[in-house]
Amino acid sequence: QKEVEQNSGPLSVPEGAIASLNCTYSDRGSQSFFWYRQYSGKSPELIMFIYSNGDKEDGRFTAQLNKASQYVSLLIRDSQPSDSATYLCAVNRGTGGFKTIFGAGTRLFVKA
Amino acid sequence: ETGVTQTPRHLVMGMTNKKSLKCEQHLGHNAMYWYKQSAKKPLELMFVYSLEERVENNSVPSRFSPECPNSSHLFLHLHTLQPEDSALYLCASSQDFSNQPQHFGDGTRLSIL
Repeated sequence: QKEVEQNSGPLSVPEGAIASLNCTYSDRGSQSFFWYRQYSGKSPELIMFIYSNGDKEDGRFTAQLNKASQYVSLLIRDSQPSDSATYLCAVNRGTGGFKTIFGAGTRLFVKA
Repeated sequence: ETGVTQTPRHLVMGMTNKKSLKCEQHLGHNAMYWYKQSAKKPLELMFVYSLEERVENNSVPSRFSPECPNSSHLFLHLHTLQPEDSALYLCASSQDFSNQPQHFGDGTRLSIL
């Protein structure tokens, strides 16, 4: 079992729709969860981080965390073609856990 | 501008060459990282430094040698690399080495001939 698992995609959604990206992780002790966006040929860029169960909203982005199910998701509302990128989920054990584990990423394609 | 600068952006080298990658962060962070990113594979953590002390060496071959002279600078010295070492090498920094988000540089695209 991979430590951080994501569907590789591509996930294709029409412009204006909600894109839902999912991630599961294997370490129950994980405390910190991150979503990065990576455009082709570019470096990962932090979008959201979440530490507590529930939802966290920032503009068009909502991160959702369910530690009991070991599941974290990213919702993108009103998707735009400029959101087309690979989205990386990353998980850290927290205090003393300096090793952040990245998923392989989900490719999102937003059709105009 | 992410506050993390990597040079060079592109590097082509032969298997017998020696070269170095450089990373500098202007964010006042205490932890710095080297990652390898190959096509369609997750980011692979190579090395972690916290306050100039190496705290993680993730089973990386000795042909990769890191150096962290101070908390703002990180180097990756390369020697006798193999074709499978061709990849994007990313440097990142974070406030500390626990649960803080990491900020990435633009990477060095390395090609081994």
